[in-house]
Amino acid sequence: DVKVTQSSRYLVKRTGEKVFLECVQDMDHENMFWYRQDPGLGLRLIYFSYDVKMKEKGDIPEGYSVSREKKERFSLILESASTNQTSMYLCASSLSNYGYTFGSGTRLTVV
Amino acid sequence: KQEVTQIPAALSVPEGENLVLNCSFTDSAIYNLQWFRQDPGKGLTSLLLIQSSQREQTSGRLNASLDKSSGRSTLYIAASQPGDSATYLCALNFGNEKLTFGTGTRLTIIP
Repeated sequence: DVKVTQSSRYLVKRTGEKVFLECVQDMDHENMFWYRQDPGLGLRLIYFSYDVKMKEKGDIPEGYSVSREKKERFSLILESASTNQTSMYLCASSLSNYGYTFGSGTRLTVV
Repeated sequence: KQEVTQIPAALSVPEGENLVLNCSFTDSAIYNLQWFRQDPGKGLTSLLLIQSSQREQTSGRLNASLDKSSGRSTLYIAASQPGDSATYLCALNFGNEKLTFGTGTRLTIIP
């Protein structure tokens, strides 16, 4: 089975901190994604990557950046965390329209 | 903009009953459709993937159907169990690798 591993289940950070959320997949998938999920708003795409060093903005990229230096790892970076970035963050990977596999999520709280 | 609706938003049924969850979409030009379940505070678990050329997929007590002409997919759960309690999401892929998620159905199985 494909595994998508998110390094932290829970994180608490202070306003203004630089935050790194890490995601690793073990099945050589081309595509990787970062979503955030908020009550009443559903899942919203932040960024995705279809190859190493390639990235595209999703629906809500403001305040975020990403890095994909290796195929298996996709990092989400909050340059200066703010309280409105408190959310559940979900990473996923896919292989050419053959379905997504999601990680277990990171619950980030910014205080 | 594609719209994906899941009705009802919440459903409670006694244990042992068979049930159907619905997913409706306005744009029939889909590449594939995926059903997920999400337990509270957790990531998404893939249940079934239906390619646009398929009519249905089965896995254990789950059966998903796809009717592109009517813009509808259903997830049938047989002999429901308390462990089936979760939020169920359908997600559509229109060929650009990005998923459009439905609004979700929160399912409660009453022991």
